[in-house]
Amino acid sequence: KAGVTQTPRYLIKTRGQQVTLSCSPISGHRSVSWYQQTPGQGLQFLFEYFSETQRNKGNFPGRFSGRQFSNSRSEMNVSTLELGDSALYLCASSTGETGTQYFGPGTRLLVL
Amino acid sequence: QQQVKQSPQSLIVQKGGISIINCAYENTAFDYFPWYQQFPGKGPALLIAIRPDVSEKKEGRFTISFNKSAKQFSLHIMDSQPGDSATYFCAASGYSGAGSYQLTFGKGTKLSVIP
Repeated sequence: KAGVTQTPRYLIKTRGQQVTLSCSPISGHRSVSWYQQTPGQGLQFLFEYFSETQRNKGNFPGRFSGRQFSNSRSEMNVSTLELGDSALYLCASSTGETGTQYFGPGTRLLVL
Repeated sequence: QQQVKQSPQSLIVQKGGISIINCAYENTAFDYFPWYQQFPGKGPALLIAIRPDVSEKKEGRFTISFNKSAKQFSLHIMDSQPGDSATYFCAASGYSGAGSYQLTFGKGTKLSVIP
């Protein structure tokens, strides 16, 4: 099976802009979780989508949002970018019925 | 807030030696404990995982030891190789409601295996 894919791999944006990241899960997986990885905070949970519904959310401001489509692909959006949003954004795929999650390569976002 | 504490932050091991990374958790509702390996520029890769009904799980050179009463678990890498040099993350997961299983990660251990 193909693994989790994320696009784009790298992004450079300026403060105030918005960005959309995309994730395609492993075929047959219905759950997609998003994480933010930074050197200072480590890996932090953003939210999880299952069958097009957000069923869990971490402690991030409302500028961070997401959605999932009927084919399980997911997008994450960050509006009004801040310098502190510079991070590696990781998507993880799961059947949604266990805790086992498989990560994609991530999207490296740099906010200038 | 649910936490997973990981130590050490960095570790240098001689080739052929044993690498040991420790984690401790607080939430007794956690019921799944995976370890991830991450190389620079890559996403974390699932290495090995354990559930609290067993005290040890071994896969090749990698072993998880689990102590439920102490709420601690550790990763042992036997015969460490330079190719094992990476950052290792422990994590814990438990049912978060509405069918969700959220992973809570430790801060990571950067392992360097020197020849």
